[in-house]
Amino acid sequence: AQSVTQPDIHITVSEGASLELRCNYSYGATPYLFWYVQSPGQGLQLLLKYFSGDTLVQGIKGFEAEFKRSQSSFNLRKPSVHWSDAAEYLCTSNNAGNMLTFGGGTRLMVKP
Amino acid sequence: ETGVTQTPRHLVMGMTNKKSLKCEQHLGHNAMYWYKQSAKKPLELMFVYNFKEQTENNSVPSRFSPECPNSSHLFLHLHTLQPEDSALYLCASSQGSEAFFGQGTRLTVV
Repeated sequence: AQSVTQPDIHITVSEGASLELRCNYSYGATPYLFWYVQSPGQGLQLLLKYFSGDTLVQGIKGFEAEFKRSQSSFNLRKPSVHWSDAAEYLCTSNNAGNMLTFGGGTRLMVKP
Repeated sequence: ETGVTQTPRHLVMGMTNKKSLKCEQHLGHNAMYWYKQSAKKPLELMFVYNFKEQTENNSVPSRFSPECPNSSHLFLHLHTLQPEDSALYLCASSQGSEAFFGQGTRLTVV
């Protein structure tokens, strides 16, 4: 069975600092991988996705993620964090069977 | 706006009440889902419908009863709920691998 792990439950960074959120997946083949962001009281918004091809994918709001097969990772990055980026970030995978598997989420807090 | 609309946004119900959550999408998607998001837990898949047929029931208690009358609408009927059922219930739809989520219904069972 596939699984997704986000090792960091909470992360706090200063505004303007760089950010990396970790995500590891467990699946035999290369899954489809996604990062979603959830702001308080909101649903999930897709930040970016990886299906195949270039392993560095660009998303909205200045986010990017890199797929590393050797590490079974799909970490999310942003070079300079803004206060409005404070939210819950969810990494998910899909084995092409219409079944999204979610990680536990990482709550990002941004210090002024 | 993702194109997936859930109503109501908030619901408070007693343990003996019967209520329904509604989800609507006009994206032309064939698959629709119910997820439960509890505090400090990963998002849990509850039900999956493909072309109006239920294809997944993730060991959900029978006090939750889904209904998919057509490809655009999905309901979650609730009865005899417990306080631990309080959570954010998210609906999603997909065509292929990418899912689009509604804003959720915040359910409180008292």
